[in-house]
Amino acid sequence: EVHLVQSGAEVKKPGESLKISCECSGYSFINYWIAWVRQMPGKGLEWMGIIYPGDSDIRYSPSFQGQVTISADKSINIAYLQWSSLKASDTAMYYCARAGGSYFLDYWGQGTLVTVSS
Amino acid sequence: DIQMTQSPSSLSASVGDRVTITCQANEDISNYLNWYQQKPGKAPKLLIYDASNLETGVPSRFSGSGSGTHFTFTINSLQPEDTATYYCQKYDNLSALTFGGGTRVEIK
Repeated sequence: EVHLVQSGAEVKKPGESLKISCECSGYSFINYWIAWVRQMPGKGLEWMGIIYPGDSDIRYSPSFQGQVTISADKSINIAYLQWSSLKASDTAMYYCARAGGSYFLDYWGQGTLVTVSS
Repeated sequence: DIQMTQSPSSLSASVGDRVTITCQANEDISNYLNWYQQKPGKAPKLLIYDASNLETGVPSRFSGSGSGTHFTFTINSLQPEDTATYYCQKYDNLSALTFGGGTRVEIK
């Protein structure tokens, strides 16, 4: 059975760095893209970027290019989303999701809530 | 950058009603259009992929149609448990997976 399990909620201060994770199991990690999706409080879904763990090919949404870094470690089947300097506006729920076939997101993690506040 | 316009942003309907949501792309995206349901406090759930294919385990009252630039999502016979926000999502040849703005569906 496919599972995506994300790391726990984080509370950070502006300017701090952060790396959240998405541990994938139940399928061949290297053969499916993993997407990251942001949902700000009370708002809709925003696609941030996508990574193919097999060769670390990464595509970023123009809105998030340069703002975050997506990576994956195929030796342990984990995808990551990281920030070097958080802002209050990064406060949101972040989801990872597996992209099947023609990039439909068929399995989702439970979400990681990131709160950035001084 | 291909944009997705989803409408309406919200609707209220009675149990048993037929509900229709539309998504319009400003360029041809073939059938690379998917639909999700999100309930409060939960991760989104895939309902329809490639415009018209029902994901395994999803009730048959949900359906999707369309291709090119115009797409439709329908709930036949709305049920109380269908209260949620619904999103379309497209994939294009620039590898962008953009979501529509969402439609909040409530029961009257």
